[in-house]
Amino acid sequence: AQKVTQAQTEISVVEKEDVTLDCVYETRDTTYYLFWYKQPPSGELVFLIRRNSFDEQNEISGRYSWNFQKSTSSFNFTITASQVVDSAVYFCALSGVKTSYDKVIFGPGTSLSVIP
Amino acid sequence: EPEVTQTPSHQVTQMGQEVILRCVPISNHLYFYWYRQILGQKVEFLVSFYNNEISEKSEIFDDQFSVERPDGSNFTLKIRSTKLEDSAMYFCASSESGLADSYEQYFGPGTRLTVT
Repeated sequence: AQKVTQAQTEISVVEKEDVTLDCVYETRDTTYYLFWYKQPPSGELVFLIRRNSFDEQNEISGRYSWNFQKSTSSFNFTITASQVVDSAVYFCALSGVKTSYDKVIFGPGTSLSVIP
Repeated sequence: EPEVTQTPSHQVTQMGQEVILRCVPISNHLYFYWYRQILGQKVEFLVSFYNNEISEKSEIFDDQFSVERPDGSNFTLKIRSTKLEDSAMYFCASSESGLADSYEQYFGPGTRLTVT
């Protein structure tokens, strides 16, 4: 069975601090996708990144970076120099690639509050 | 940039009433999905739809739920007789093709359903 765990339910940081959101996943598939989504207070889901299981290179996009470690089944997300606008719920998610219509399995989410 | 749209943004209905949530997927997409998020909880898969039939459905998607693509642009989720526990945010998503490398589900902004 596929499962995504985000052990941190809520995190509070002071603006400009760095913060890492943890994600651990379980799957029996050898090929899969991992995702991060942001859900601001307005409620929509904002796609941040997709990572193929064959690509273990870390990725950086501006203040965001992702650390994918297949050996520990983790896909952690770091925000550098956090800003108040980063306050949101962040979901890590997993999908198989056996079929094009594989469902996305979401983790429970981590609520991040960035305090000015 | 093309986007998935959903109407209405908020629907209030009385218990036992039928409700139809509407989605317009991105025009060249072929795969369609509904997800549900009960307030404060994770996003859960409901159903996937391809080639005018259901590809997969979760245990949440019981006989009270149905999906339809009535024309070339709309994708609808019907709840036949709403219950209080159907109150949630409902997200529609669509994806383009069977090519694993280009696979990504684009999410709509959601419809918040409140059952009173």
